[in-house]
Amino acid sequence: DAKTTQPTSMDCAEGRAANLPCNHSTISGNEYVYWYRQIHSQGPQYIIHGLKNNETNEMASLIITEDRKSSTLILPHATLRDTAVYYCIVRVSYSGAGSYQLTFGKGTKLSVIP
Amino acid sequence: AAGVIQSPRHLIKEKRETATLKCYPIPRHDTVYWYQQGPGQDPQFLISFYEKMQSDKGSIPDRFSAQQFSDYHSELNMSSLELGDSALYFCASSLGRDRRGEAFFGQGTRLTVV
Repeated sequence: DAKTTQPTSMDCAEGRAANLPCNHSTISGNEYVYWYRQIHSQGPQYIIHGLKNNETNEMASLIITEDRKSSTLILPHATLRDTAVYYCIVRVSYSGAGSYQLTFGKGTKLSVIP
Repeated sequence: AAGVIQSPRHLIKEKRETATLKCYPIPRHDTVYWYQQGPGQDPQFLISFYEKMQSDKGSIPDRFSAQQFSDYHSELNMSSLELGDSALYFCASSLGRDRRGEAFFGQGTRLTVV
């Protein structure tokens, strides 16, 4: 799986948008970008994933550049409960069913400040 | 909605003892993943199962073994425990037939070896 690079930490004011960048310059055409977050010692929580189009769900938006070498996770209105470590993960998707494990790298510790 | 259930939530064992961790996936999910997260570290993939067969293997010590049963629950067996095995152990499940399926994590088992 392609390696990802994320900032070690970021701060965001409560109520503002949090924009978390991720570089994945070696991503392959069959690899998806996934975002998970982990709130202190809890199980990682799925946020969103995408292949090449921008995606939006009730939690966040995912913006993937046209060359797919980087992406940005956007939390539109950050709250204190969004304080967590955010992981950007690139995962290959094969043609058949099976298990495709997530490889966690060094995520971004997002601190939402009152 | 039903989530991934792990038991026990906390476990204290002495060195050289054995431990068994259990994971009950989300109903209809046929794929289970095990992760280990040491203090201050990121989750590390151990092993996964798809349709009751081992699918992928990560950094799982030889002292550990795991299996997935006919009802799709999984157990991680850990023998000759060492102090360094103290960690959070997470289980995740996904629908393997959906190659883009996101994995959902349980709340983890905190193992302390003394």
